[in-house]
Amino acid sequence: DGGITQSPKYLFRKEGQNVTLSCEQNLNHDAMYWYRQDPGQGLRLIYYSQIVNDFQKGDIAEGYSVSREKKESFPLTVTSAQKNPTAFYLCASSTNRATEAFFGQGTRLTVV
Amino acid sequence: AQSVTQLDSQVPVFEEAPVELRCNYSSSVSVYLFWYVQYPNQGLQLLLKYLSGSTLVKGINGFEAEFNKSQTSFHLRKPSVHISDTAEYFCAVTQGGSEKLVFGKGTKLTVNP
Repeated sequence: DGGITQSPKYLFRKEGQNVTLSCEQNLNHDAMYWYRQDPGQGLRLIYYSQIVNDFQKGDIAEGYSVSREKKESFPLTVTSAQKNPTAFYLCASSTNRATEAFFGQGTRLTVV
Repeated sequence: AQSVTQLDSQVPVFEEAPVELRCNYSSSVSVYLFWYVQYPNQGLQLLLKYLSGSTLVKGINGFEAEFNKSQTSFHLRKPSVHISDTAEYFCAVTQGGSEKLVFGKGTKLTVNP
């Protein structure tokens, strides 16, 4: 079945450590996105990519980094510079005309 | 910049009652509009979308929405809700041809027996 896979579903890390969240899609979509979700704040865009080897900052990119070496994959690294990393992270993909975005099941990151 | 306002953060209703979840967006330029549903600890699932054409859009699970360009609104409705509709609902917009999807802050719908 086509879809988006995020792993792991739950992730725990100690403060000061970098951590990488995985996102893979087999929908042959060109565009991929990372959102952060906090209670009562909706979804905020971290980074997005329209094509392999290219990506743009979203509204809250500070403390995060991404890569897009393959069309299918768009991993997100939460660095130690991110002041409040505990959150629910959602990956999505769409065609470049953004007529519909498909979401993964999310990764809940807890930093202790 | 494009923005989306969901006017109600929480909406409690009784089972079998009608419900309307309100959504307004900032731009009158050509837009695509979406409603997504999220169940606890899960990703988002598309309920319905407006790209062009008829302003009344029907989606899954009996939901529908009406695009009103003059009022820049895209309210979601269901004539009779079920307990299983309890979830958080997000309105989203993207300008035609743009790849950036902008979300509202969400409305938590709670359906009580």
